[in-house]
Amino acid sequence: KNEVEQSPQNLTAQEGEFITINCSYSVGISALHWLQQHPGGGIVSLFMLSSGKKKHGRLIATINIQEKHSSLHITASHPRDSAVYICAVMGSNYKLTFGKGTLLTVNP
Amino acid sequence: DSGVTQTPKHLITATGQRVTLRCSPRSGDLSVYWYQQSLDQGLQFLIQYYNGEERAKGNILERFSAQQFPDLHSELNLSSLELGDSALYFCASSVGWGDNNEQFFGPGTRLTVL
Repeated sequence: KNEVEQSPQNLTAQEGEFITINCSYSVGISALHWLQQHPGGGIVSLFMLSSGKKKHGRLIATINIQEKHSSLHITASHPRDSAVYICAVMGSNYKLTFGKGTLLTVNP
Repeated sequence: DSGVTQTPKHLITATGQRVTLRCSPRSGDLSVYWYQQSLDQGLQFLIQYYNGEERAKGNILERFSAQQFPDLHSELNLSSLELGDSALYFCASSVGWGDNNEQFFGPGTRLTVL
């Protein structure tokens, strides 16, 4: 079992839909990162959080430390949101462990 | 543009060869991280340097080595290359080290070993 599990693996949505991607982890962590990777490979850091909730534009990330779970929400999804979304956790050793990613496709 | 630069963008080489990947962090960032992304393993942490010193080590093979120079740029050396080393290699940088540091990723170097 991976230390970081993401669901779903693949997600197809229609433009305008509300999207949720989930991340569960099995180890104690000091921080959790959400990353976005577009076709072509570039990786962008979306959020880094250790508690509560963060919002940036149409993106919202939440984390529940007790339940070892985080969610990434996208409101009013757009085709340009199509990408792979990766959850990564930082353990006490300050090393990032990554989930396998969620491939999101938003159709116009 | 994250401000992190990596060269080269693409590298094609043969098994048994040695290559060097280069990373320049964002201005002011003291930490550099190296990651490998392969189709079967996904993203994996290799190694981290902070201000020239190794801070954390991940799943880095003995055939691989890295260093961070006084000007803070870093190089990842891969030797005795095998087909399975074909992957995207990312460098990231952050201001400090530890759990409160956002990492900024470079565009990656795509290595193909034939």
